[in-house]
Amino acid sequence: QSALTQPASVSGSPGQSITISCTGTSSDIGFYNYVSWYQQHPGKAPKLLIYDVSNRPSGVSNRFSGSKSGNTASLTISGLQAEDEADYYCSSYTSSSTPVFGGGTKLTVL
Amino acid sequence: QVQLVESGGGVVQPGRSLRLSCAASGFSFSSYPMHWVRQAPGKGLEWVAVISYDASSKYHADSVKGRFTISRDNSDNTLYLQMNNLRPEDTAFYYCARDFYQGSGSSYYFDFWGRGTLVTVSS
Repeated sequence: QSALTQPASVSGSPGQSITISCTGTSSDIGFYNYVSWYQQHPGKAPKLLIYDVSNRPSGVSNRFSGSKSGNTASLTISGLQAEDEADYYCSSYTSSSTPVFGGGTKLTVL
Repeated sequence: QVQLVESGGGVVQPGRSLRLSCAASGFSFSSYPMHWVRQAPGKGLEWVAVISYDASSKYHADSVKGRFTISRDNSDNTLYLQMNNLRPEDTAFYYCARDFYQGSGSSYYFDFWGRGTLVTVSS
């Protein structure tokens, strides 16, 4: 199962909104609504931000939102803050009955 | 609060074995499926294995199938990963992670993670 495709990097200024894309295939994102997103700060463990495409776990800011169209999922961060600077990973359930992650996107807050 | 603490990492030669442990506390360990996820230094995440809450079912990624075995001891709140025939490409931080949902089945969402233990496979 190949990794999902994410842009290597994105950037934005404080207060702006940014969107990170995550492209898969009809065997993962395109077929299942089991997409999740994780935030990872340097040297830290990942944190679950979004599950089931667009749901937020308790305690996650509503500045984070998820969506999906066809084989591509997206994470949008609104009202960008300095603390949002981190790596972001998408993940999807696959037809192999296992999950696959994206390669990760480094978000820089300018 | 939920705590997951991995141990057992280190430097090992190719072809040798290592067993990782993950001590869980702060939640009903025996109610949750548990996972191992790894991350090569400076690289992305890779799911490794999952075990059901009662250890009745286990699944492993193709990249480790036949070499790694996940297990758990619910009486001791501990998750394990037995790694045999290690290869240089197994070099990574290994995280244990709790499944988002308790009970049967697995969501393959990971809501709590340990800090990881580094495994380096090198001669």
